[in-house]
Amino acid sequence: EPEVTQTPSHQVTQMGQEVILRCVPISNHLYFYWYRQILGQKVEFLVSFYNNEISEKSEIFDDQFSVERPDGSNFTLKIRSTKLEDSAMYFCASSSRLAGGDEQFFGPGTRLTVL
Amino acid sequence: AQSVTQPDIHITVSEGASLELRCNYSYGATPYLFWYVQSPGQGLQLLLKYFSGDTLVQGIKGFEAEFKRSQSSFNLRKPSVHWSDAAEYFCAVGKAAGNKLTFGGGTRVLVKP
Repeated sequence: EPEVTQTPSHQVTQMGQEVILRCVPISNHLYFYWYRQILGQKVEFLVSFYNNEISEKSEIFDDQFSVERPDGSNFTLKIRSTKLEDSAMYFCASSSRLAGGDEQFFGPGTRLTVL
Repeated sequence: AQSVTQPDIHITVSEGASLELRCNYSYGATPYLFWYVQSPGQGLQLLLKYFSGDTLVQGIKGFEAEFKRSQSSFNLRKPSVHWSDAAEYFCAVGKAAGNKLTFGGGTRVLVKP
């Protein structure tokens, strides 16, 4: 069964460093998303991406964040200068425009720890 | 703006007993509704979804949910829980295909032997 994959599973970084979180969405999907879950809190939407551009972003997704689809398979989230409060589990998701609506398939997540 | 409330943070249930998890949403039009399950250290797995049609939807692992527009609710049920159902359950609402999901705070389910 096709699945969304994410690497790395755990990333530890120093405050102020740049990190890139990587995702491989399901191959025939058209919509891509990043969400995050701070420990003990709800899953929050960050950004959605369609047709090689951002379609929606939350207020969390400020200038420190960027997304890219550098090739036909990968979808990345970059945080330019990490802060302590960026520590969270980051989930990538993808969906396709199927009749009857689309469900988002989530990857296993990348746990980001900022020290 | 859309929002989701899951009133119960924790629920403890005995193995073999029935389970009901509550979800209330706020959204102006017909929502897309989802239930996801997250086992410890795992990602989010879709249990079931509602877009239109029959308001009682069946999902995986023996779960079902009922959409009640008049109550703005989408409660999840299972007639007989198994120890492997211990996990965190998230209700989510979306507007349409390709749109973001808004999640509730989650309900953690503990299963007693």
